[in-house]
Amino acid sequence: NAGVTQTPKFRILKIGQSMTLQCAQDMNHNYMYWYRQDPGMGLKLIYYSVGAGITDKGEVPNGYNVSRSTTEDFPLRLELAAPSQTSVYFCASSYSPDTPYEKLFFGSGTQLSVL
Amino acid sequence: DAKTTQPNSMESNEEEPVHLPCNHSTISGTDYIHWYRQLPSQGPEYVIHGLTSNVNNRMASLAIAEDRKSSTLILHRATLRDAAVYYCILREESGYALNFGKGTSLLVTP
Repeated sequence: NAGVTQTPKFRILKIGQSMTLQCAQDMNHNYMYWYRQDPGMGLKLIYYSVGAGITDKGEVPNGYNVSRSTTEDFPLRLELAAPSQTSVYFCASSYSPDTPYEKLFFGSGTQLSVL
Repeated sequence: DAKTTQPNSMESNEEEPVHLPCNHSTISGTDYIHWYRQLPSQGPEYVIHGLTSNVNNRMASLAIAEDRKSSTLILHRATLRDAAVYYCILREESGYALNFGKGTSLLVTP
């Protein structure tokens, strides 16, 4: 049972480079989320999606883009990497947040350094 | 989301019970109380949730104050594997995502 799979686990980027963080889930969940976690801090929501073709901004969306062409995949795109984007990125999914007791399932994270 | 307040860190001895407190004085009547934990170098994982009544599952127990302004996550016998950051989160009825604060870093010593 794979759950939420994130790739790559680690990546080092140079300033101005671009990359895509991959996230896939095999639980047929409708909702998917991207969070970032800076050292010693909690998680902040970047973007979320309520289904294929539908995405919306979270608390810290600047510098990122997302797309959701399938239920399973929710990639996060960094177009012009900046040192401020050095962080650990977590993808999560849930079947539906319409019930407030719905729980989120998280991937193991991607550690990104921008130098 | 309504705010929660947790101690930055706590320490426990192995095989002892641990009580992790959370204050949420501005909780609304429909907010669920969720607890997640994050083991080192891993993503958060669900622990337990509740609304008004105390809850038990295989991982932990959740004790909710009668006025719902505070709650306590109880680990009955801490193990070294329970060393993690524990997040107390209020889930609004219409919320799409969970807002994670800094949580409580639990250290378990042998």
